[in-house]
Amino acid sequence: EPEVTQTPSHQVTQMGQEVILRCVPISNHLYFYWYRQILGQKVEFLVSFYNNEISEKSEIFDDQFSVERPDGSNFTLKIRSTKLEDSAMYFCASSLGQGNTEAFFGQGTRLTVV
Amino acid sequence: GESVGLHLPTLSVQEGDNSIINCAYSNSASDYFIWYKQESGKGPQFIIDIRSNMDKRQGQRVTVLLNKTVKHLSLQIAATQPGDSAVYFCAEKRTKAAGNKLTFGGGTRVLVKP
Repeated sequence: EPEVTQTPSHQVTQMGQEVILRCVPISNHLYFYWYRQILGQKVEFLVSFYNNEISEKSEIFDDQFSVERPDGSNFTLKIRSTKLEDSAMYFCASSLGQGNTEAFFGQGTRLTVV
Repeated sequence: GESVGLHLPTLSVQEGDNSIINCAYSNSASDYFIWYKQESGKGPQFIIDIRSNMDKRQGQRVTVLLNKTVKHLSLQIAATQPGDSAVYFCAEKRTKAAGNKLTFGGGTRVLVKP
């Protein structure tokens, strides 16, 4: 069964450092997303991406965040200067279309900022 | 079930019994609702969805009920099994919105007792 894969599974970084979280969405999917989940809390939307541009972003997704689809398979989330409060699980997801189509989530990257 | 901070509501159920998990949503414009299951250390996994023009949908061992009048969604799991132990999230979406984002509820932890 096709799946969304994320690397690394766990990333530890020092405050102020840049991190790049990587995702390989399901190959024929057209819509890509990043969500995050702070420990013990609900999953929060960060950004959606379609046709090589951001289609929606949340208040969390400020100037420190950026996304890129550098080639035909990868979808990355970059945090330029990490803060302690960026520590969370980051989930990549993809869907074939919009509307009532299912979003498939990856296993997540646990980001720990120290 | 909605959660506040780190305190997830917990449903403890005997193996073989039926489980009912509740969720209140807030956006009247949402027209697509989904239940996700999240096991420890994993990403959300799609269980079942329902469109706003329906009030009930059945899957394998699961049933979702939608009451738009009171903005309430429930997930019923028949004959709960140990593998059903997880955190369950409801999510809502406006299918006509550009970003295609999911808005998640707070989650309910289900513990299945043998």
